[in-house]
Amino acid sequence: DSGVTQTPKHLITATGQRVTLRCSPRSGDLSVYWYQQSLDQGLQFLIQYYNGEERAKGNILERFSAQQFPDLHSELNLSSLELGDSALYFCASSVYERRDEQFFGPGTRLTVL
Amino acid sequence: AQSVAQPEDQVNVAEGNPLTVKCTYSVSGNPYLFWYVQYPNRGLQFLLKYITGDNLVKGSYGFEAEFNKSQTSFHLKKPSALVSDSALYFCAVRDFLNTGNQFYFGTGTSLTVIP
Repeated sequence: DSGVTQTPKHLITATGQRVTLRCSPRSGDLSVYWYQQSLDQGLQFLIQYYNGEERAKGNILERFSAQQFPDLHSELNLSSLELGDSALYFCASSVYERRDEQFFGPGTRLTVL
Repeated sequence: AQSVAQPEDQVNVAEGNPLTVKCTYSVSGNPYLFWYVQYPNRGLQFLLKYITGDNLVKGSYGFEAEFNKSQTSFHLKKPSALVSDSALYFCAVRDFLNTGNQFYFGTGTSLTVIP
């Protein structure tokens, strides 16, 4: 158990809908990262927040947005969902911003029908 | 251009033999390099990292990796493989110079250790 929690574990929804994935980092970690893992795209870095501020941005679609709250938990919002958004979404956390290892949560499996 | 490459989708090795999982990167400057392992239906677990200093990095579970700047490689190694090492291994690079601190992960190498 990494100490990173993600909810929900599974999510099934329809095209065009909007969902919110939630992540609680390890106690003491200030950075939160979001990743998408799919069979065709592999593991893709989406975005990083550090102490509430966006720090790095990867291949995140405009339909997706994220934020980190004062209590350091983070939410990833996915809207206008498409079939191709079906994937495993991981959250990870680390103590600092740049050089330290990340601890990954168990993931949220999103299925868009 | 791909920033990190794992040229082998699958590596098979006999238990007790040394193992190598290859990784090359194409990021300029001084990137940070990481290895992670993923077991079925689990999140990734950190194995080791290279930030600076000694080119040979030792990590968890007896794994080590050698940073080779001239060959832009960061191969993962273990002297004696265990069946429990069977998993999916990911190499990752963090690019600070060119792409705004993005992380890039390789496509993963599935390691099977044969008893």
